[in-house]
Amino acid sequence: QSVLSQPPSASGTPGQRVTISCSGSKSNIGSNTVNWYQQVPGTAPRFVVTSNNQGLSGVPDRFSGSKSGTSASLAISWVQPEDEADYYCASWDDSLSGWVFGGGTKLTVL
Amino acid sequence: QAQLVESGGGLVEPGGSLRLSCVGSGFIFGEYYMNWIRQAPGKALEWVAYISTSGGSTYYADSVKGRFTISRDNAKNSLHLQMNSLRVDDTALYYCARDAYSYGLSGAGYWGQGTQVAVSS
Repeated sequence: QSVLSQPPSASGTPGQRVTISCSGSKSNIGSNTVNWYQQVPGTAPRFVVTSNNQGLSGVPDRFSGSKSGTSASLAISWVQPEDEADYYCASWDDSLSGWVFGGGTKLTVL
Repeated sequence: QAQLVESGGGLVEPGGSLRLSCVGSGFIFGEYYMNWIRQAPGKALEWVAYISTSGGSTYYADSVKGRFTISRDNAKNSLHLQMNSLRVDDTALYYCARDAYSYGLSGAGYWGQGTQVAVSS
């Protein structure tokens, strides 16, 4: 059972806007930044964006992050077939003094 | 571009020990917090341990506290994870990851390819 809750699956057709949610509590999302990761099966995870919309070089700006209260969202505008992957949210938890992850959301691009 | 290469994984019996290592390049190693994160087959990512830039502060998941020790050698650009009293449920691919930004507590930004640990009799 993951500390952060994500829907197990999401889907969209090429060109659509897709959002993935992540729900937590006051001690994690409510107090800290949320990071989002993309993992194509068989490969290492890749940092995508934060809830402050910060990213690293090489990540398309179609990915954006946001947060409200104890929930966060990853939005993918103009979703592409290559975006098909598992997506994880993560945040620092002040009560646990550690990082917590969501259970992951499998994105299917139909 | 930051690069991380893990080593030290393998097959070990329950109760045994392993020492994982990770060497970083392409960045100033001593300026970033570092992580170990694992993933059991078909399962979600699970954070394992975290260490500050100097090594003076360390953090552990409850599942490994008292059994695993994270350490670093900034002079050698290396990160380690000493794993003792290994259990079957420690079986996973272990990733070394550098924090995304140098200001600390920013979370895993760059990841290695992982090293496989299998605990079985």
